[in-house]
Amino acid sequence: AQTVTQSQPEMSVQEAETVTLSCTYDTSENNYYLFWYKQPPSRQMILVIRQEAYKQQNATENRFSVNFQKAAKSFSLKISDSQLGDTAMYFCAYISNFGNEKLTFGTGTRLTIIP
Amino acid sequence: GAVVSQHPSWVICKSGTSVKIECRSLDFQATTMFWYRQFPKQSLMLMATSNEGSKATYEQGVEKDKFLINHASLTLSTLTVTSAHPEDSSFYICSAREQRQFHPTGQQYFGPGTRLTVT
Repeated sequence: AQTVTQSQPEMSVQEAETVTLSCTYDTSENNYYLFWYKQPPSRQMILVIRQEAYKQQNATENRFSVNFQKAAKSFSLKISDSQLGDTAMYFCAYISNFGNEKLTFGTGTRLTIIP
Repeated sequence: GAVVSQHPSWVICKSGTSVKIECRSLDFQATTMFWYRQFPKQSLMLMATSNEGSKATYEQGVEKDKFLINHASLTLSTLTVTSAHPEDSSFYICSAREQRQFHPTGQQYFGPGTRLTVT
């Protein structure tokens, strides 16, 4: 079974600084997708960024980028120029490309942006 | 973007009663919907996968007779917590997968969640 591990329960960073959230996963599959979701205090889950395993190029979305290391099964999220609105829980998630439609979530990292 | 709604957003019920939570995809058709449970400061735990027109598939350890799931149309799935008890108090989140996206990695969109408190 696939597992997703987030080893940083909590992090904090000063506004405008850069922060990197870690995620590792375990799978025996070659084709899959990885996601970072944000859950702000409103608790609405918001997709931040998505990475296809078959793509070598790291995904980027404005201030958000990932460092995808397939061999190491690592998928970190970098937030540049952090803003107060980035304060939230961040979940790393995995989904297989072989008929299992279930998202497997990590335990989450609580990120606080300090003014 | 695609929107998923949940109703109610917050409900309080007495122990022993049943409560129904609705999950709707507002602007797309969802062949598959997922129900999650989230305890405070914890991750989302998948309870069941709901496919339109068929029985839900429950995760191990989830009581299917207690958490009744119905997916009667491509835009609506319901979760009924039967004979609720205080330990059922939690935050329940649904997500819906767009029909037009290819299997299996069609984008999932999450509802805003329902906070259930059983007294």
